[in-house]
Amino acid sequence: EAGVAQSPRYKIIEKRQSVAFWCNPISGHATLYWYQQILGQGPKLLIQFQNNGVVDDSQLPKDRFSAERLKGVDSTLKIQPAKLEDSAVYLCASSLDRGLRNEQFFGPGTRLTVL
Amino acid sequence: AQSVAQPEDQVNVAEGNPLTVKCTYSVSGNPYLFWYVQYPNRGLQFLLKYITGDNLVKGSYGFEAEFNKSQTSFHLKKPSALVSDSALYFCAVTWRNQKVTFGTGTKLQVIP
Repeated sequence: EAGVAQSPRYKIIEKRQSVAFWCNPISGHATLYWYQQILGQGPKLLIQFQNNGVVDDSQLPKDRFSAERLKGVDSTLKIQPAKLEDSAVYLCASSLDRGLRNEQFFGPGTRLTVL
Repeated sequence: AQSVAQPEDQVNVAEGNPLTVKCTYSVSGNPYLFWYVQYPNRGLQFLLKYITGDNLVKGSYGFEAEFNKSQTSFHLKKPSALVSDSALYFCAVTWRNQKVTFGTGTKLQVIP
């Protein structure tokens, strides 16, 4: 079974530039999550999709972050414009459905450095 | 609000010795508890979970965890540590309709 795919693995940008991350979840997984993991901290949920609808985006900084999952499969997370404090690893995860009992499967992450 | 605490930033253990990584939680009701492991430059991997039933949960790679409701704890354990167990371990909690909350992580170092 193929895992969660993410690209790129690494990205370095200047502050105020824009950046986009891509995620392809495990086939058949209806729920997709984007997390931000700052060094020394646990992952923080940015947005959760159920198919192509948003379930939770309460911690997404909507003035600069956006995400979409148009066809209910792969997803894109965008930051525009980036700030220094956005430097982090961005993790994508998926699960069979939104049930809380389901474990999540994580991709390898994208390490973003904002200079 | 729910929360989870991992009181130790790092745990050192000799290879072959038993290991324990601690986790305590705070929720208003019955929690769902998870352990994940993160190897360098990789995403988190699911180890085990407690949903209901037997308080002792067995998971991948010989790990187990015990749910203790009175102490609100869910400590991760393994009878005999391997060098390859060295990694970052995260405890996570959720309940009802709340999003999953992760702890800050504990770095496990197994010394040969």
